Parts: sequence; structure tokens; C-alpha cells
Amino acid sequence: AQSVAQPEDQVNVAEGNPLTVKCTYSVSGNPYLFWYVQYPNRGLQFLLKYITGDNLVKGSYGFEAEFNKSQTSFHLKKPSALVSDSALYFCAVRDASGGYNKLIFGAGTRLAVHP
Amino acid sequence: KAGVTQTPRYLIKTRGQQVTLSCSPISGHRSVSWYQQTPGQGLQFLFEYFSETQRNKGNFPGRFSGRQFSNSRSEMNVSTLELGDSALYLCASSSMTGTNTGELFFGEGSRLTVL
Repeated sequence: AQSVAQPEDQVNVAEGNPLTVKCTYSVSGNPYLFWYVQYPNRGLQFLLKYITGDNLVKGSYGFEAEFNKSQTSFHLKKPSALVSDSALYFCAVRDASGGYNKLIFGAGTRLAVHP
Repeated sequence: KAGVTQTPRYLIKTRGQQVTLSCSPISGHRSVSWYQQTPGQGLQFLFEYFSETQRNKGNFPGRFSGRQFSNSRSEMNVSTLELGDSALYLCASSSMTGTNTGELFFGEGSRLTVL
């Protein structure tokens, strides 16, 4: 079965420090991986994706993610956190058996950036 | 370009009633997916429609149904509501071009409370 795990319920970071939100995956075949962000009382917003190519993927708002096939990980990173980055972050993998837009989401990690 | 529009944003129903939620995708997007978000189960895929055809269905009972119209607008219906159906229902649209696979644009959701 395909799955995504986000081992941390919450990550706390001081503003200006680098941040990492962790994600590991389990899929058959080549993974299509995604990060989405959700602000309070809003829908999800796409941040970035990995389909193929460079292992370091750059996305919106200064975020990037590193794909590591040997560790089956796809961690989200940002060099310098902002208070406005505080939100709920979801890692997702495309369900290879389910068609184009069937995504399997992790449980989410709440990022809190403190001034 | 207008985003994904979901109506109503909030609604309260009682057990046994039925509800219909509406989603208008981004202009030009032909794929519409529905997800349920709850604190306990997280984000779960309900179904996906493309060109008025259901392409995929998640693991939900038959009380959950949907459809898509020729203008790509979509509705989902839940019949015989149960307390556990209380959730945020998210609609997402996609342009469905090859490299955009899985890149979803979400609406702000319809928050359903079942009493």
C-alpha cells in the first residue's frame, strides 16, 4: 500500500532560522511527491512537486524540498523562516493506482515560527 | 483568473438529512477532485471527475456521490447524514496537462456540521 508519513505533529522554529519539515513515503514505482500548505480556515495551496529530475526542487515562497530515493524521504526546507510561514503543511504522494489527481496525504505538520 | 469556488462555505444539518455541495473550478480546468478533511482521519480522497466522468473513487460508502456538468462544475451529495460526516469538504481543480499531474488548486472548502 502506498503511504506518506510526517513524523512530527509540530515543528517550532525561531524567525530567521532554517526550517525543515520531514516526510517519508512508501510507493511502488517512481513517486510523484508534493507539498501543500494550509492556512487557518482556508483550502490547501500547492508549494512544490517532484516528478523527475533534480533531487532539489524549488517552490513557492522560498521553499524547497530534497528528494532522497535511498531514504524514501522528501523533506521540506526553507533557509530563513518567517512568522507568516506558520501554517499546516502536508506532504502527499500520487496514488499510482488511482489516476492523476488522487493524492494520498500525510497527517500534516503544524509549523510555528516564533518572533 | 478566479479561483476555485465552493458553496456553501458553512452549513449545519441534522442526522438523516442530505446535503449537496457545489464546486466551480478554475476556468479551463476539466478535472475536479473532492477531499474530506477531518481531525481524526486527515485528508481523504472522495472522488475525481474529468469531462463529466468519474475517474476514481475513494473508500467511502455509497451515501457519498458526485457528478460533473458539461461546464466542469461539480456537485457532491451526501445522503442520510451521520455525525461522522462532519468535516471540511474540499474541492480541487486541475488543468490535467501532463507535467501538472497532481498539482491541484483547492477551494476554501465547505464546512459541514451534522447535529
